[in-house]
Amino acid sequence: GAVVSQHPSRVICKSGTSVKIECRSLDFQATTMFWYRQFPKKSLMLMATSNEGSKATYEQGVEKDKFLINHASLTLSTLTVTSAHPEDSSFYICSARTVLRRYGYTFGSGTRLTVV
Amino acid sequence: AQKITQTQPGMFVQEKEAVTLDCTYDTSDQSYGLFWYKQPSSGEMIFLIYQGSYDEQNATEGRYSLNFQKARKSANLVISASQLGDSAMYFCAMRHYKTGNTPLVFGKGTRLSVIA
Repeated sequence: GAVVSQHPSRVICKSGTSVKIECRSLDFQATTMFWYRQFPKKSLMLMATSNEGSKATYEQGVEKDKFLINHASLTLSTLTVTSAHPEDSSFYICSARTVLRRYGYTFGSGTRLTVV
Repeated sequence: AQKITQTQPGMFVQEKEAVTLDCTYDTSDQSYGLFWYKQPSSGEMIFLIYQGSYDEQNATEGRYSLNFQKARKSANLVISASQLGDSAMYFCAMRHYKTGNTPLVFGKGTRLSVIA
């Protein structure tokens, strides 16, 4: 239980285009979703926290106009990378809080974004 | 601010041997939780073990145990009887128990390589 389905798992896009990443909670309601970014062989860095029905809270240094987060329902949170550049290439992973998982956190399977 | 430090970028261990991955943390809060996650090359985050700040006994989960030394603010992961499938990135993480949903904060990780 407490599965977060993240799509796509891999995406290649051209510079200047936008890419949307979806995290969908399949069997629980995710009122809060955390979005992380991970550079190769590096740690997971928190980008933002999204709460259903309200604006996301972004970490310092994260461009909110570039990384648009929407959490319009209790089962879906999306991250849109706008006007993507090669330096946006990274691994993006979402995480939700849930009582259905031991100690409360469940993760999506991640999205590997490559901008060419 | 909370901070997780993992000082070992990479570790090697012989198959069937035990290995300790180091983690120290910094927090001024009294109530917190410490996690260890395994991240194979696929990118998924696999929960291994949890230690609460008020837990008096060290946590154990099968071949995983956590050497929790609160006064030293360390939470080292011990993997016994290493297997080839244990080769992966390992992340130490912490959460604070405050009101609302708080995210996990991750260390930089340790890449473990198990040698046959």
